[in-house]
Amino acid sequence: KAGVTQTPRYLIKTRGQQVTLSCSPISGHRSVSWYQQTPGQGLQFLFEYFSETQRNKGNFPGRFSGRQFSNSRSEMNVSTLELGDSALYLCASSPGGRTLRETQYFGPGTRLLVL
Amino acid sequence: GIQVEQSPPDLILQEGANSTLRCNFSDSVNNLQWFHQNPWGQLINLFYIPSGTKQNGRLSATTVATERYSLLYISSSQTTDSGVYFCAVDPTGYSSASKIIFGSGTRLSIRP
Repeated sequence: KAGVTQTPRYLIKTRGQQVTLSCSPISGHRSVSWYQQTPGQGLQFLFEYFSETQRNKGNFPGRFSGRQFSNSRSEMNVSTLELGDSALYLCASSPGGRTLRETQYFGPGTRLLVL
Repeated sequence: GIQVEQSPPDLILQEGANSTLRCNFSDSVNNLQWFHQNPWGQLINLFYIPSGTKQNGRLSATTVATERYSLLYISSSQTTDSGVYFCAVDPTGYSSASKIIFGSGTRLSIRP
């Protein structure tokens, strides 16, 4: 089985722009979770989608949004980028949507740099 | 909110040594997992362990939920064990916001 794929792998944007990141889960997995990793704040949970519905959301402003499609692929969008949004964005998929109660499989991440 | 603290923050060992990493949490949790992030940034799920003990090869983990801590044991360390180890918890009694709290990690360096 192919692993979790994330595109693009690297991205450079300027303040005020918006960005869309994509995540394709492992075939058959219905849950996708997104995480942000920065040197200052560490790993933080963004949101979780299961069967096209957002089930959980972390403590992030409304500029961060996401969605999941019927094929379980997910996108996250960040509008009005700020310098502090520079981070490694990781997505993970799992089979049944029980997040921490089942094994999550992580993609390689998208490294976003905001200038 | 719940606090998740990992210790030690950094650990340098020679190949072949054993190590114990600790994760303390300040409130009761539904679930707990351990992750390894290799030097290239890839995160790997190691254990789902809300309570009890599990073993997988040279790695094992124990969670004592009543005392609010979990331990990750690595025996006969190899250079490929280098990286950062995170624990993450799903706290009970909280709203859906801010679920899944990660510790700040233990950076493990194994010298050949």
